[in-house]
Amino acid sequence: NAGVMQNPRHLVRRRGQEARLRCSPMKGHSHVYWYRQLPEEGLKFMVYLQKENIIDESGMPKERFSAEFPKEGPSILRIQQVVRGDSAAYFCASSPRAGGSEQYFGPGTRLTVT
Amino acid sequence: KNEVEQSPQNLTAQEGEFITINCSYSVGISALHWLQQHPGGGIVSLFMLSSGKKKHGRLIATINIQEKHSSLHITASHPRDSAVYICAVKETSGSRLTFGEGTQLTVNP
Repeated sequence: NAGVMQNPRHLVRRRGQEARLRCSPMKGHSHVYWYRQLPEEGLKFMVYLQKENIIDESGMPKERFSAEFPKEGPSILRIQQVVRGDSAAYFCASSPRAGGSEQYFGPGTRLTVT
Repeated sequence: KNEVEQSPQNLTAQEGEFITINCSYSVGISALHWLQQHPGGGIVSLFMLSSGKKKHGRLIATINIQEKHSSLHITASHPRDSAVYICAVKETSGSRLTFGEGTQLTVNP
């Protein structure tokens, strides 16, 4: 059973470009969480999605950030018009059921904005 | 004050030493995770606890729900154990994890 997959593992974007980060949950998991780790800081919750639904987006910045988890395909975290402060490691985790007690992490995507 | 506090922030040990990392939290939880993060690497889940004690190889994790405290122990530490260890809690309400700041462990040969 493959683990949580994230791609790309490293992403470099110039200021103003768009960044798309993908997360494929473990087989049979329909719950996805996105977390961000800014340099020298701890992990922070961003958003929780089930298939085709955003359940909790209270950790998402108000502008430029969006997330989706379509019926088919991976979950996407999209950052429009990136700025240097968006440089961070973005991790997703998947869970087989609601409640989130059991979460399995992906390897992360390291975004660098130049 | 953070909802999840870890101590110490940094820990240096000699190979073979017994290591303890502590985690205290201030909210009601349904589960607590211990995670390991190597430099530039991903996150590995070591344990998920809701009560009692779990052991995996040289690693032991305990939790005291009444005292809102958990410990991660490493016996016979080895340089390859050098990493950041992160405590995370799943609150009783909601589904998100809330993380501690992490403990940087360095084990010298």
